[in-house]
Amino acid sequence: DTAVSQTPKYLVTQMGNDKSIKCEQNLGHDTMYWYKQDSKKFLKIMFSYNNKELIINETVPNRFSPKSPDKAHLNLHINSLELGDSAVYFCASSLGTRSALEQYFGPGTRLTVT
Amino acid sequence: KQEVTQIPAALSVPEGENLVLNCSFTDSAIYNLQWFRQDPGKGLTSLLLIQSSQREQTSGRLNASLDKSSGRSTLYIAASQPGDSATYLCAARFYNQGGKLIFGQGTELSVKP
Repeated sequence: DTAVSQTPKYLVTQMGNDKSIKCEQNLGHDTMYWYKQDSKKFLKIMFSYNNKELIINETVPNRFSPKSPDKAHLNLHINSLELGDSAVYFCASSLGTRSALEQYFGPGTRLTVT
Repeated sequence: KQEVTQIPAALSVPEGENLVLNCSFTDSAIYNLQWFRQDPGKGLTSLLLIQSSQREQTSGRLNASLDKSSGRSTLYIAASQPGDSATYLCAARFYNQGGKLIFGQGTELSVKP
């Protein structure tokens, strides 16, 4: 049973294209997150949704647009892809936004922009 | 600015050795700290979550400690095995930050047989 799943696992695309990454969790959590891991393996939060409402929006280009159709899904759409967008994108979830709660991570989506 | 730092970036030890990984943070208003393991090309596996009210947490051969006053956490691995080879990440949650994790850069551990 996969707790937090992401599709696709690998994504190779050209500059200027638009692409989406999907995330689903079956843990019954109501808070979901997107993190980006750069080439130096540094992980940084991008967005967080609680009950389909955006609660964290870090300094991310507006080419990135998260969408949460329901509590179990948080998708990431990226417009006009750039070389610098190449990274591994991780989805995570937790039960609520209270800081005491553990986050569970998906396997990651490795995006390569050529 | 709230930051999390891990030193060293890489560590190599012989099998069987006990070792300590270090994590430091700049803000003592920490809510909790989570240690993760990341294998090459894989996602993050949560190892231990230690709350600010706790001083340590244990799981098997792993023991995590937290000292808010000094801004430090350590992950102790006893009797290391080659299967422990991975990158270890610490991540802190601070008050009034909506639950987001702030990550250190990670320590890449290699345990030699």
